[in-house]
Amino acid sequence: LAKTTQPISMDSYEGQEVNITCSHNNIATNDYITWYQQFPSQGPRFIIQGYKTKVTNEVASLFIPADRKSSTLSLPRVSLSDTAVYYCLVGGGGYQKVTFGTGTKLQVIP
Amino acid sequence: GAVVSQHPSWVICKSGTSVKIECRSLDFQATTMFWYRQFPKQSLMLMATSNEGSKATYEQGVEKDKFLINHASLTLSTLTVTSAHPEDSSFYICSALGGDRGSTEAFFGQGTRLTVV
Repeated sequence: LAKTTQPISMDSYEGQEVNITCSHNNIATNDYITWYQQFPSQGPRFIIQGYKTKVTNEVASLFIPADRKSSTLSLPRVSLSDTAVYYCLVGGGGYQKVTFGTGTKLQVIP
Repeated sequence: GAVVSQHPSWVICKSGTSVKIECRSLDFQATTMFWYRQFPKQSLMLMATSNEGSKATYEQGVEKDKFLINHASLTLSTLTVTSAHPEDSSFYICSALGGDRGSTEAFFGQGTRLTVV
């Protein structure tokens, strides 16, 4: 299973763009990259998933370089409600157990 | 998107008793479900992988006789914490692979807060 490395924590002011980078040097050919958001005492919530290049949805963008050894989650114009822990997961592509790394605790400051 | 529901959301039990937590995929069939445990300010720790119709696969260090997992149907997996002790107090979360994205996305339940007194 690919191991992921993320910054433990980040602070950002409201309205700014936040980029959280995740390293996954041992990503396998059939692995997808998925980001989840977790609020205290809640289950993780799916944000975005990608395989290569760039993916964008209504809440975030995901940038994946050609070698796929890292990925960057971009949150545009964060608000206080975006304060949460963000997890980068690598796997999927069929049956695959999902294991979590440490996650990044994002604190949005007024 | 697909919905996974856990029940109960929280439970308090006495030491030595058993507690059952249910995980249901409401609008899709899930052949594979996962059970996690999360202690305060820590990440989710995978406990076991539950496959419909077969025995669960436990992660190293997780006691299979203490944490009984049953996945009797494509929409329901249960975790029973047997002879619970205060150190078993934690946040338990299940997830299921499936839904619109097939098996590449895991959908999570809302979690169950277990407190053993």
